[in-house]
Amino acid sequence: DAGVTQSPTHLIKTRGQQVTLRCSPKSGHDTVSWYQQALGQGPQFIFQYYEEEERQRGNFPDRFSGHQFPNYSSELNVNALLLGDSALYLCASSPMSQAKQETQYFGPGTRLLVL
Amino acid sequence: GNSVTQMEGPVTLSEEAFLTINCTYTATGYPSLFWYVQYPGEGLQLLLKATKADDKGSNKGFEATYRKETTSFHLEKGSVQVSDSAVYFCALTWDMGRRALTFGSGTRLQVQP
Repeated sequence: DAGVTQSPTHLIKTRGQQVTLRCSPKSGHDTVSWYQQALGQGPQFIFQYYEEEERQRGNFPDRFSGHQFPNYSSELNVNALLLGDSALYLCASSPMSQAKQETQYFGPGTRLLVL
Repeated sequence: GNSVTQMEGPVTLSEEAFLTINCTYTATGYPSLFWYVQYPGEGLQLLLKATKADDKGSNKGFEATYRKETTSFHLEKGSVQVSDSAVYFCALTWDMGRRALTFGSGTRLQVQP
């Protein structure tokens, strides 16, 4: 059973560009959350998707947007990249059902460097 | 708002030493509490969890007890190994996986042979 997978593993962009990161959830999970982890810091919640809609959002600007597909996979898009967007982007999946008391499982992350 | 405070690292120990990493939280109500571990170059792995007061989470020799009166969830291990070297994150949430996790800033553990 594959866990949470993310692609690409590493990415280098320049300021002002746009980037798309991808995530496939763990089998049986229908909810995807995205986190940004700056170097030396704990992960910060960006947003969560369920049933193809944004369900919760952290304190991130509108430059950060996302999408969830019918197969539960998800994309994170960041527009007009800034140097400060350089970070490890983590995807986590979990089941929404109250019957499944599972926490969030994390993927290996995508390391984004903005030059 | 909700927040998690961890002791600053790095924590440097010799193999077989006793480990304590302090974690306290600020939250309304009684959240679920977690410890995640991040090995070099990897994502986060759930180490243990506790969902209500006085619960003790345990895994791989690590333990943490949910203390409501002190709003704490300190991580302990009786005898650390070199392979335990990693960054440890304390976190909280409600409704298990259905809500955002709030993380502490992490504590780096270095275990020397």
